[in-house]
Amino acid sequence: QSVLTQPPSASGTPGQRVTISCSGSSSNVGSNTVNWYQQVPGTAPRLLMYSNNQRPSGVPDRFSGSKSGASASLAISGLQSDDEAHYHCAAWDDSLQGWVFGGGTKLTVL
Amino acid sequence: QIQLQQSGPGLVKPSQTLSLTCAISGDSVSSTSATWNWIRQSPSRGLEWLGRTYYRSKWYSYYAVSVKSRISIKADTSKNQVSLQLNSVTPEDTAVYFCARGPSHFAFWGQGTLVTVSS
Repeated sequence: QSVLTQPPSASGTPGQRVTISCSGSSSNVGSNTVNWYQQVPGTAPRLLMYSNNQRPSGVPDRFSGSKSGASASLAISGLQSDDEAHYHCAAWDDSLQGWVFGGGTKLTVL
Repeated sequence: QIQLQQSGPGLVKPSQTLSLTCAISGDSVSSTSATWNWIRQSPSRGLEWLGRTYYRSKWYSYYAVSVKSRISIKADTSKNQVSLQLNSVTPEDTAVYFCARGPSHFAFWGQGTLVTVSS
């Protein structure tokens, strides 16, 4: 099982707002910033959010991130069909001295 | 634009060594602002960070505890690439392997290589 905990699935209809959670501990999310990756099956993950709430160039502002304590969230507003993908959170772990990931959340646009 | 191009065999026999390379373009493997990471993904374990190498006046390499006794990540400055070697593989090492550029987030990834461990 993964060090960071994410719900295995999430869903929404076009135009809706969806939130994906990522729960960790004091050694990872609680003390370091969180990054989010979007992955379409068969392709490499794509950086979606870094340093909790910073969007790389090209990522629409429909995507937003937040962190509180040892938990983080990714919100997607104005859901679109091409948002259908897997979403992974990641953080550095001070105890393990390495990067840890969540198990990924499969987002379905109904 | 930074691009990472992976190469290596897709089939490795049990107990043998998995070897992959990641050729870097648009950046230098010796960049003092980058780290070069290997990450794998399998249905059973999800994304798993394996280790990294980077140059800060000298070369450093660090590995995940789960593979520390079997792994080596090295830079080849003459070819501007990074290599991964994983020894004594078992079927549990079957996964898609990615190289990715750090340090604080992975903005650039290789295309991924499916490596199957089977006789």
